[in-house]
Amino acid sequence: DQQVKQNSPSLSVQEGRISILNCDYTNSMFDYFLWYKKYPAEGPTFLISISSIKDKNEDGRFTVFLNKSAKHLSLHIVPSQPGDSAVYFCAATVVPFMDSNYQLIWGAGTKLIIKP
Amino acid sequence: EAQVTQNPRYLITVTGKKLTVTCSQNMNHEYMSWYRQDPGLGLRQIYYSMNVEVTDKGDVPEGYKVSRKEKRNFPLILESPSPNQTSLYFCASSSYSEGTNNEQFFGPGTRLTVL
Repeated sequence: DQQVKQNSPSLSVQEGRISILNCDYTNSMFDYFLWYKKYPAEGPTFLISISSIKDKNEDGRFTVFLNKSAKHLSLHIVPSQPGDSAVYFCAATVVPFMDSNYQLIWGAGTKLIIKP
Repeated sequence: EAQVTQNPRYLITVTGKKLTVTCSQNMNHEYMSWYRQDPGLGLRQIYYSMNVEVTDKGDVPEGYKVSRKEKRNFPLILESPSPNQTSLYFCASSSYSEGTNNEQFFGPGTRLTVL
């Protein structure tokens, strides 16, 4: 049972337009949601996160929106650039407390292709 | 430069031949973890460690061992590899502060093929 789902394996967007990547989750206990970006032959790198008490977090061209009632979050990239072509993973976690495991639960990823 | 390193980056081996994938971080992080990535499944946690000599199972620990004798190192051991352990492996580390999110840093990955 996948707790974090990214239903689009790939997405193609024209350079300069908006890219919207979606993620759904089932566990209402998640405290934080994160987006990681991964280039081929490299490990995932942290992009942006959002706490479950917020509904929006913005960092430059990247904005993450959280809809708790729908258990849905999305990553918006505006404007999209060729260097944004990568696999984007959505992940969720419960913040560590009382020596609990600080585990990230991952979606399967969405491959974003920015067309020139 | 703050980083997580893994070795080897690529490995092809045969069933039953013991192997170790090393992981080292230079950020003095308490928390370290191993994940495997398989197509369509995202990353799944194999083992994690809260600090030196403290390790525990993640979601998919079968067929793997780990140790944490030093804070910076967290090797992944496959005592008798099997073809279903063919995967892409990532080591990650982070600081550990209760009640707050801590960014996890990832190594570059180790692509393992077991024939």
